[in-house]
Amino acid sequence: AQTVTQSQPEMSVQEAETVTLSCTYDTSENNYYLFWYKQPPSRQMILVIRQEAYKQQNATENRFSVNFQKAAKSFSLKISDSQLGDTAMYFCAFFNTGTASKLTFGTGTRLQVTL
Amino acid sequence: EAGVTQSPTHLIKTRGQQATLRCSPISGHTSVYWYQQALGLGLQFLLWYDEGEERNRGNFPPRFSGRQFPNYSSELNVNALELEDSALYLCASSLYLISGEQYFGPGTRLTVT
Repeated sequence: AQTVTQSQPEMSVQEAETVTLSCTYDTSENNYYLFWYKQPPSRQMILVIRQEAYKQQNATENRFSVNFQKAAKSFSLKISDSQLGDTAMYFCAFFNTGTASKLTFGTGTRLQVTL
Repeated sequence: EAGVTQSPTHLIKTRGQQATLRCSPISGHTSVYWYQQALGLGLQFLLWYDEGEERNRGNFPPRFSGRQFPNYSSELNVNALELEDSALYLCASSLYLISGEQYFGPGTRLTVT
């Protein structure tokens, strides 16, 4: 079974600064996808970024980028130029392409962006 | 394009009753997933429906069930409600052939008293 671990329950960053959220996972699969989802206080889960395991190049979406280390089973999220609207819970998630077809989530990191 | 919609927003039930939660996927998406987000427990996978069939279920008792309709909308039923069923229930949809990305609705907050 896959497991996803987020070891930082809470983090704080000042506006305009950069912050990195950590995520590790455990799997015996070779083909899979990794995601970061954001859940603001409005509770709507929003897809932030996605990484295919077979791609060595790290995914980037505007101010969001990942550091994907397949051998180390690590998948961190870097938020550059943090904005107040980035305040949210961030969940790392694993998706295997087999018949299980479900997202396995970490426990989340609560990010607070301050002035 | 309309996103995933869920109804009702809030639902209050008493222990032992039944709850029905509804979800409409993004147009064109054939897969619907249900997750439970209980306080302090993160998101737990409940059920996956695709093309009207239940494809997978998480580690939940049989009193959690559902179905998917021909228009791909879905219903989650929780029978014999228990206090610990109080949670946010999230529905997500995906276009299965483009696997991985799931798009979530705003959720239904179920409170069992």
